Amino acid sequence: GQNIDQPTEMTATEGAIVQINCTYQTSGFNGLFWYQQHAGEAPTFLSYNVLDGLEEKGRFSSFLSRSKGYSYLLLKELQMKDSASYLCAVRHNAGNMLTFGGGTRLMVKP
Amino acid sequence: ETGVTQTPRHLVMGMTNKKSLKCEQHLGHNAMYWYKQSAKKPLELMFVYSLEERVENNSVPSRFSPECPNSSHLFLHLHTLQPEDSALYLCASSQDKWTGELFFGEGSRLTVL
Repeated sequence: GQNIDQPTEMTATEGAIVQINCTYQTSGFNGLFWYQQHAGEAPTFLSYNVLDGLEEKGRFSSFLSRSKGYSYLLLKELQMKDSASYLCAVRHNAGNMLTFGGGTRLMVKP
Repeated sequence: ETGVTQTPRHLVMGMTNKKSLKCEQHLGHNAMYWYKQSAKKPLELMFVYSLEERVENNSVPSRFSPECPNSSHLFLHLHTLQPEDSALYLCASSQDKWTGELFFGEGSRLTVL
């Protein structure tokens, strides 16, 4: 089976840095994904990690530690438009399907 | 049009009705998915089609019936639904079933009375 945990809500200030954590327990790990979903909109792909380490993409970075079953999404220079839900998803070897966490709702305040 | 398009965006139906949700992708992808998104619950995978063949059926009740006539179109046929089936139904596509980068449609908001 698989279990994915991430905080339900976070609040941060415009211009600051925020780290959203995701822990997982799964058999047959085959990659971890982060998606962004604005209220009332479709989720959109942000990042993908399959090896340990940090992947940087502009203001967003994602980190993975496979031995710890842990990932985080780091958002720098926060903007109001970053207010959204951030979904952590784990891919499994069996069938290569994605299992999603419950999402973290981030509110960016002025 | 580009991306993944879902219709209708909103649907209200009674428990005895029969309706269908439609999804169309213009990305040339070979895999398509139905996900269910309920309030305060994680996205739940319902069905996966790869090259028009169903490869995953995630213990979904038979009142939900998928159809994939070709690699660009996906339907979800609904009949005798329950109020607890009210949710946002998201369609997604990917290059193939091995690719984890999913492209989602904006969803069909279903309310069952």
